[in-house]
Amino acid sequence: DAGVIQSPRHEVTEMGQEVTLRCKPISGHDYLFWYRQTMMRGLELLIYFNNNVPIDDSGMPEDRFSAKMPNASFSTLKIQPSEPRDSAVYFCASSSFSGTPLRNEQFFGPGTRLTVL
Amino acid sequence: LAKTTQPISMDSYEGQEVNITCSHNNIATNDYITWYQQFPSQGPRFIIQGYKTKVTNEVASLFIPADRKSSTLSLPRVSLSDTAVYYCLVGAGRRALTFGSGTRLQVQP
Repeated sequence: DAGVIQSPRHEVTEMGQEVTLRCKPISGHDYLFWYRQTMMRGLELLIYFNNNVPIDDSGMPEDRFSAKMPNASFSTLKIQPSEPRDSAVYFCASSSFSGTPLRNEQFFGPGTRLTVL
Repeated sequence: LAKTTQPISMDSYEGQEVNITCSHNNIATNDYITWYQQFPSQGPRFIIQGYKTKVTNEVASLFIPADRKSSTLSLPRVSLSDTAVYYCLVGAGRRALTFGSGTRLQVQP
């Protein structure tokens, strides 16, 4: 398996523009997570899905952020309009949380480095 | 959710054993303790997981005392390539998603 795939790897945009980040989870995983990492705030969970359904979006900073998972193999995180404070590395991760005993392993993608000017 | 406390940073030299301790006083009965490693410009990577006593794999060992209120990640004979941030997570499944600040390990030659 190719692992979790994210695109683009780097995105530079201007304030006010719409940004869409994409993620393809590992096949067979039923959980998908979006994280944001900055020096100031560390690694923050934004939202996660189980079987394509959003379960917890309490980490989404504000209404400018939205996430969708139209099918088991694709998810998007959209920021509209973008602001300079949204500059961060955005990670997508997937998991099945399976096994006996339960294995708490999330598989992370390479991340998208977003810069909003 | 169990809150975790780790040292912000640690320094070591190549060849030494490094022990990173994580405190989790309010760990729940069903919680597991999981450690991740993150290199610069990469996503975190699962290292090891345990419930009680000792767990060992090809990368590290995890020591968990009987009361489970803390855990220690042990890295034997570190090398420069072990320089990374190490995160301790407590929970099970969807309750094991809070990464905290992590411990920044710097290995010197």
